[in-house]
Amino acid sequence: DAGVIQSPRHEVTEMGQEVTLRCKPISGHDYLFWYRQTMMRGLELLIYFNNNVPIDDSGMPEDRFSAKMPNASFSTLKIQPSEPRDSAVYFCASSLSQDRVRNEQFFGPGTRLTVL
Amino acid sequence: KQEVTQIPAALSVPEGENLVLNCSFTDSAIYNLQWFRQDPGKGLTSLLLIQSSQREQTSGRLNASLDKSSGRSTLYIAASQPGDSATYLCAATGGGNKLTFGTGTQLKVEL
Repeated sequence: DAGVIQSPRHEVTEMGQEVTLRCKPISGHDYLFWYRQTMMRGLELLIYFNNNVPIDDSGMPEDRFSAKMPNASFSTLKIQPSEPRDSAVYFCASSLSQDRVRNEQFFGPGTRLTVL
Repeated sequence: KQEVTQIPAALSVPEGENLVLNCSFTDSAIYNLQWFRQDPGKGLTSLLLIQSSQREQTSGRLNASLDKSSGRSTLYIAASQPGDSATYLCAATGGGNKLTFGTGTQLKVEL
């Protein structure tokens, strides 16, 4: 298996532009998570899906952020409009969990976003 | 709200030393505790997962322990090597399948 795939790996954009980050989870995994990592705040959970349905989006910082999962093999995280403080590394992770106790999450390589 | 703390924030040791990284969490109602490794500019690699009913897990030179009652976990690395240099993160899985991460320990193993 190729693992969790994210694209692009790097994104540089100007303030006010729309940014779309993409994620392909590991085949068969039923949970998908979006995280953001910054020096100041570390790793934070933004939103997660179970069977393509958003379960908890309480970590999404504001309305400029939105996430979708149209099918089991694809998810997007969109920022519109982007701001310099959105600059961070965004990780996607997936897991297969029939038993919450064994819920091991597998992470993608991340997308490094820079908003100028 | 779960809070996870890791001590020390940074650690530098000579090659061959045994070392211990510490992780503490405030809410003992966790389902499991995971340890990850992150290399600069890379994603996270899962090292060990300890289920709430377990006390420890071992993989090669790594051993992780869990004490839910005291809210603590430790990662023991035996005979450290320069290739072990990375940032080590612990994360607790709580309600809603959420992982709460610590801020990490940056380890440098010197020749």
